[in-house]
Amino acid sequence: EAQVTQNPRYLITVTGKKLTVTCSQNMNHEYMSWYRQDPGLGLRQIYYSMNVEVTDKGDVPEGYKVSRKEKRNFPLILESPSPNQTSLYFCASSFITTGELFFGEGSRLTVL
Amino acid sequence: ELKVEQNPLFLSMQEGKNYTIYCNYSTTSDRLYWYRQDPGKSLESLFVLLSNGAVKQEGRLMASLDTKARLSTLHITAAVHDLSATYFCAVDITGTYKYIFGTGTRLKVLA
Repeated sequence: EAQVTQNPRYLITVTGKKLTVTCSQNMNHEYMSWYRQDPGLGLRQIYYSMNVEVTDKGDVPEGYKVSRKEKRNFPLILESPSPNQTSLYFCASSFITTGELFFGEGSRLTVL
Repeated sequence: ELKVEQNPLFLSMQEGKNYTIYCNYSTTSDRLYWYRQDPGKSLESLFVLLSNGAVKQEGRLMASLDTKARLSTLHITAAVHDLSATYFCAVDITGTYKYIFGTGTRLKVLA
């Protein structure tokens, strides 16, 4: 089954404790990206990657890091989480030709 | 400022009625997308509009794109309760790989 898989789905952590949210897709998509969803703000793009070893900042990259060492994986790293990073995070992937994003199930993160 | 604006933000409508959701964007883009999100769920792709004048239909939903006016519409025909969800439009900025999403339209169809 074609899918984008995120882990963990739910996480409660404390300020400053590094964490990684993993994202994996099995559709051979070149493009992968991360978004955060907050009430009243829609989805905002954090980082994106056009292919292996190629990443760039979206609209809200502060406090986040990413890497793309393999085509199928695109982890989101919070080196020192803060409460304002409490949010619902989505990973998505697509073929660059169509741009149609396929989303993971989401990861709800709470930073205390 | 690069923006994607949806109107209305909230929509409550009776079953059987027609309505249109509007999506205006301020950046140059030839590609526009519509997604649906059910409460507590992920986003599901509805339509991909890749050129000016594109029109796509799926069931009771029809989407169109006017790149000159920077406007897309999502038309709902004879609404049914199952269409209740939040609908997002999004554009990718020409020449980049950045996406901008609208804030969403929460649709509630009343029986």
